[in-house]
Amino acid sequence: DVKVTQSSRYLVKRTGEKVFLECVQDMDHENMFWYRQDPGLGLRLIYFSYDVKMKEKGDIPEGYSVSREKKERFSLILESASTNQTSMYLCASSLLGGRIGPNEQFFGPGTRLTVL
Amino acid sequence: SQQGEEDPQALSIQEGENATMNCSYKTSINNLQWYRQNSGRGLVHLILIRSNEREKHSGRLRVTLDTSKKSSSLLITASRAADTASYFCATDNQAGTALIFGKGTTLSVSS
Repeated sequence: DVKVTQSSRYLVKRTGEKVFLECVQDMDHENMFWYRQDPGLGLRLIYFSYDVKMKEKGDIPEGYSVSREKKERFSLILESASTNQTSMYLCASSLLGGRIGPNEQFFGPGTRLTVL
Repeated sequence: SQQGEEDPQALSIQEGENATMNCSYKTSINNLQWYRQNSGRGLVHLILIRSNEREKHSGRLRVTLDTSKKSSSLLITASRAADTASYFCATDNQAGTALIFGKGTTLSVSS
């Protein structure tokens, strides 16, 4: 059965801390994605990766970085957490898209991050 | 960036009724996808419809796509309380490499 796991369901951090959010998928998918979800704003793409050590900026990459050292693992890093990064963070994975466009994405359960 | 916009933002119906949600988008697409999200959880993929398809069914779900109007609709027939969730449409970004999600329709089905 397809599975995307995220390291924490709930996380509380202080302003200025470095925060690591981990995502692991067991489907051998090439693509992995990080989104944040806020009320009234829907899902916004932060970064995605289509291969190991490759990354592409999404719509809101500022204040974030990512790391993909292994195919199954995609990490989101908040270098210096701020209160406006309090949000729900969702990780997803998919097979590489082709001529018909992006494939379906499989989502993890989400991490609700609070920055105090 | 290109984004699907769902309409209505919220919908409340009784069990057994049909629920229709609409999605409009701005530029040409390769495919359009619908997802469901139960409260506080991750999204679950429902249906993918390609740009050359007009209609697709999956169980009680029916999706239509009108590329001339740049719109799609999701119909849930004979709704159940368990269908209570947020529903999102997603279209490909300009490079065709990622999905751009709308803000969603919140469906509430009461028994």
